[in-house]
Amino acid sequence: DAEITQSPRHKITETGRQVTLACHQTWNHNNMFWYRQDLGHGLRLIHYSYGVHDTNKGEVSDGYSVSRSNTEDLPLTLESAASSQTSVYFCASSEGTYNEQFFGPGTRLTVL
Amino acid sequence: KNEVEQSPQNLTAQEGEFITINCSYSVGISALHWLQQHPGGGIVSLFMLSSGKKKHGRLIATINIQEKHSSLHITASHPRDSAVYICAVQTPNTGNQFYFGTGTSLTVIP
Repeated sequence: DAEITQSPRHKITETGRQVTLACHQTWNHNNMFWYRQDLGHGLRLIHYSYGVHDTNKGEVSDGYSVSRSNTEDLPLTLESAASSQTSVYFCASSEGTYNEQFFGPGTRLTVL
Repeated sequence: KNEVEQSPQNLTAQEGEFITINCSYSVGISALHWLQQHPGGGIVSLFMLSSGKKKHGRLIATINIQEKHSSLHITASHPRDSAVYICAVQTPNTGNQFYFGTGTSLTVIP
């Protein structure tokens, strides 16, 4: 069965370190998204991609970067982790613009 | 300012009750989505709407484009319906990005 996976599921890191969160989907979807979820806020879009070599900034992109070298993967990199980036991160994918999104299980990141 | 507002924030119901969760939005949309987030954190899509009404099992979603309002109804609620229900809109002015409400936490008591 097709799926979307994230790794690691939990990560503790220190301020200033570079961190990469992996997202892998086997749906063969062109569209992939990264969100963060914080108490008191809805899910907020960090970056998204509509295809290989395409990346776009979302609402809260500062301090994050992504690259899309193939259809299956969209890794999210925190260049220099900050305590404000402590959050739960969700990756999602969709077949097209007006289709439902399929979400990964989430990664809980703690920056100390 | 959040483009999407949900009410209530928290809801407790007795098993069997009819439940309504509301979503209001302030922007023009191309589609509205209802999602369910399980206690373990996983998120699944329930409905995508651009007009009218959709039904899946005991769940019904409606949308009124003129009033910028959508409702999610659960008939004959069951403890397994306990979850956070999230409303999200896609806005054509921002490349059809998703904007999410903060969710309604539902607890159904046996």
